[in-house]
Amino acid sequence: AQSVTQLDSHVSVSEGTPVLLRCNYSSSYSPSLFWYVQHPNKGLQLLLKYTSAATLVKGINGFEAEFKKSETSFHLTKPSAHMSDAAEYFCVVSDRNGQNFVFGPGTRLSVLP
Amino acid sequence: DTGVSQNPRHKITKRGQNVTFRCDPISEHNRLYWYRQTLGQGPEFLTYFQNEAQLEKSRLLSDRFSAERPKGSFSTLEIQRTEQGDSAMYLCASSFDRGAQETQYFGPGTRLLVL
Repeated sequence: AQSVTQLDSHVSVSEGTPVLLRCNYSSSYSPSLFWYVQHPNKGLQLLLKYTSAATLVKGINGFEAEFKKSETSFHLTKPSAHMSDAAEYFCVVSDRNGQNFVFGPGTRLSVLP
Repeated sequence: DTGVSQNPRHKITKRGQNVTFRCDPISEHNRLYWYRQTLGQGPEFLTYFQNEAQLEKSRLLSDRFSAERPKGSFSTLEIQRTEQGDSAMYLCASSFDRGAQETQYFGPGTRLLVL
């Protein structure tokens, strides 16, 4: 069975400072990993995905994530936070067939002026 | 807009009533998924279709819940005899079967409130 842990339920950063949202996964085989963002009253939007190609994945809006198999981690980073980044972020693991999406509990990112 | 659409966006109903939600996937996508998301939680899988066939159902999907995708295009999710515990956001996603490369694209959701 697969599972996802997001270590922080809430992260608060100042505008212009780096963002780090942590994600650890458990899977019995090489997983696909995703980060989705959910703004209030909006649908889930795909930020980036890892599917066994390059371990450093670049996504939209300046976000990137690095797959580290030895640490079973897929942390999301951004060099400089913007006010518009304030949202809920979900780390997701799926099985090799791409069907079984398991979501983490989410991390709420607040960006302070 | 060629993304996933869901209707209605909001639904308020009284306990015991039936409700039906609709999802229109991205047109070329052959897979369609339903999730439920309660406040402060990540989405939880309910069921999915490959074309018109319903291939998997979560244990969360009690016998009051039924989903259909009659022609392999849009899907409906019906909840009979609603309970207050059914209050949640119901999300639909669609994808094209690409194995490990598959990515699900989500609709805006239908927020259900059962009074």
